[in-house]
Amino acid sequence: GESVGLHLPTLSVQEGDNSIINCAYSNSASDYFIWYKQESGKGPQFIIDIRSNMDKRQGQRVTVLLNKTVKHLSLQIAATQPGDSAVYFCAESPYTGTASKLTFGTGTRLQVTL
Amino acid sequence: DAGITQSPRHKVTETGTPVTLRCHQTENHRYMYWYRQDPGHGLRLIHYSYGVKDTDKGEVSDGYSVSRSKTEDFLLTLESATSSQTSVYFCAISGRANTIYFGEGSWLTVV
Repeated sequence: GESVGLHLPTLSVQEGDNSIINCAYSNSASDYFIWYKQESGKGPQFIIDIRSNMDKRQGQRVTVLLNKTVKHLSLQIAATQPGDSAVYFCAESPYTGTASKLTFGTGTRLQVTL
Repeated sequence: DAGITQSPRHKVTETGTPVTLRCHQTENHRYMYWYRQDPGHGLRLIHYSYGVKDTDKGEVSDGYSVSRSKTEDFLLTLESATSSQTSVYFCAISGRANTIYFGEGSWLTVV
């Protein structure tokens, strides 16, 4: 299948460097945030999530930072690898007990150069 | 792998014909969702289900209907396909509230 979002902002990083992908959200009532990774021709893959009562959460090679004051979310990928090349997008939601209120961003394309 | 199977994965159909996309899950999750993904837009919710025979509309439900007769299956139907419905359709499931897991997508082209 073809890629979706052909005119996305692109972040180009060298293999081994750290990547920082940013997301601005608009709803001050959002209480829950998720980062997804989407490779070409595939479905979005859950990476990491964070609730609004936290400002940082770490996973394997990934860290999500939340700044509620300026409504900003970032995803940090340590030691970026070629397999990290994909589109990354954030999602936000009021924590309603259902994902029906999730709002998705359009994404950033990460290109890893050798 | 979230245990979600979508079918068909690719389909080309003519304007005005009915189309049904199927989503099958093996996780026994309560919630199932249908999204569409288009360039310049984030994923947009079409319909979702919170149990057998329990469904509700999402942001872009016009022109679509859904049915869920079994926990594991959620069908999306385009009663009369239009070119504006050319898109990539993703099924998603969630057991834990708010965190959803996506299938691999169904590419639909309406000519």
